[in-house]
Amino acid sequence: DGGITQSPKYLFRKEGQNVTLSCEQNLNHDAMYWYRQDPGQGLRLIYYSQIVNDFQKGDIAEGYSVSREKKESFPLTVTSAQKNPTAFYLCAASRWGQGNQPQHFGDGTRLSIL
Amino acid sequence: DQQVKQNSPSLSVQEGRISILNCDYTNSMFDYFLWYKKYPAEGPTFLISISSIKDKNEDGRFTVFLNKSAKHLSLHIVPSQPGDSAVYFCAASGPYSGGGADGLTFGKGTHLIIQP
Repeated sequence: DGGITQSPKYLFRKEGQNVTLSCEQNLNHDAMYWYRQDPGQGLRLIYYSQIVNDFQKGDIAEGYSVSREKKESFPLTVTSAQKNPTAFYLCAASRWGQGNQPQHFGDGTRLSIL
Repeated sequence: DQQVKQNSPSLSVQEGRISILNCDYTNSMFDYFLWYKKYPAEGPTFLISISSIKDKNEDGRFTVFLNKSAKHLSLHIVPSQPGDSAVYFCAASGPYSGGGADGLTFGKGTHLIIQP
């Protein structure tokens, strides 16, 4: 069954701790994205990657890091430098190089601070 | 500064009637617009999109209209069904480098409630 898998669904972080959120896709899409959603807000772009071994900062990249070593995987690390990490994190993927293409989303990871 | 605005936080519509959700944008570099539907604790589901070279796109019960001069788009759902109750997000592509694999800029969403 094709799609985007995010894990875990719920994650708790202690103060000063780095945590990594997983995103895997089997859609064979080139581009992948990370967004953050806060209550009553729209999604805001953290990072995106158009091809393997390349990624770009979005609007709110401070306190986050990513890697793109494989086409299928785009993990997001929330570092201790991110002062307000509690949010709902969403990963997406889309085709690239074929004109405008919609992004398709996983079901998200909710991160909370202990 | 919000570049994509959905000014109605919520909208209540009777089952069987038309639902019209509105979205305004400020960045003239946007060239691709999308609507997503979202349930709580789930990821957004893509509904329909429109390129800036068109002014209308239709898919079943869903139609998106784009007025570039007014920087306004709308989503029409006809007829509205109970399963349509959700939060609807308007999104636009860019302004990083135009269409393709850019990140999306989202509005804050409109909560659509379909009443029986």
